[in-house]
Amino acid sequence: QKEVEQNSGPLSVPEGAIASLNCTYSDRGSQSFFWYRQYSGKSPELIMFIYSNGDKEDGRFTAQLNKASQYVSLLIRDSQPSDSATYLCAAMEYGNKLVFGAGTILRVKS
Amino acid sequence: DGGITQSPKYLFRKEGQNVTLSCEQNLNHDAMYWYRQDPGQGLRLIYYSQIVNDFQKGDIAEGYSVSREKKESFPLTVTSAQKNPTAFYLCASQDRGRSYNEQFFGPGTRLTVL
Repeated sequence: QKEVEQNSGPLSVPEGAIASLNCTYSDRGSQSFFWYRQYSGKSPELIMFIYSNGDKEDGRFTAQLNKASQYVSLLIRDSQPSDSATYLCAAMEYGNKLVFGAGTILRVKS
Repeated sequence: DGGITQSPKYLFRKEGQNVTLSCEQNLNHDAMYWYRQDPGQGLRLIYYSQIVNDFQKGDIAEGYSVSREKKESFPLTVTSAQKNPTAFYLCASQDRGRSYNEQFFGPGTRLTVL
């Protein structure tokens, strides 16, 4: 069974700090990775995707991928209370199917 | 506006009853997916379809059925064989022609068995 593992949290950070969310995956064949944000009772929305080793930055968000270590992370700079949500990591496997982790709850305290 | 719609938003089912969840998209996407989410858990794939008139089972297909007669529509039927159907159901679609494979999600249907 291909798996994506995330720490369930909650991860609590003060407003303005950097939040670091981590994810590991089991399928070495996975090529694309996605971070979705999900507010309580709502559907997931895409924050970032990454498919090359290294860093990818988009505004306050940076995704990091290390295929050798099978590790994906999401950094949120200048965290805001509105960033409080569950963050889902997903790996794309063969057949364009996404395998999701259980999510990390992030709480940003003002 | 382009997007994915799901209906109803809330659905209540009696024991032994079949119910059908609707999913429609006007994004002209070829691929569509159904996921189930239980509290505190990630999304699990129920069924997916890469093209009209074709679909495949996902990881938890037992007790569910789908059809894909039109590109825009991918309804999911929760049958009485599904032992624990209470969950949040999410439909997604994907443009297979893009260089990356983002899936767009509908707003979801929350199903409760009475």
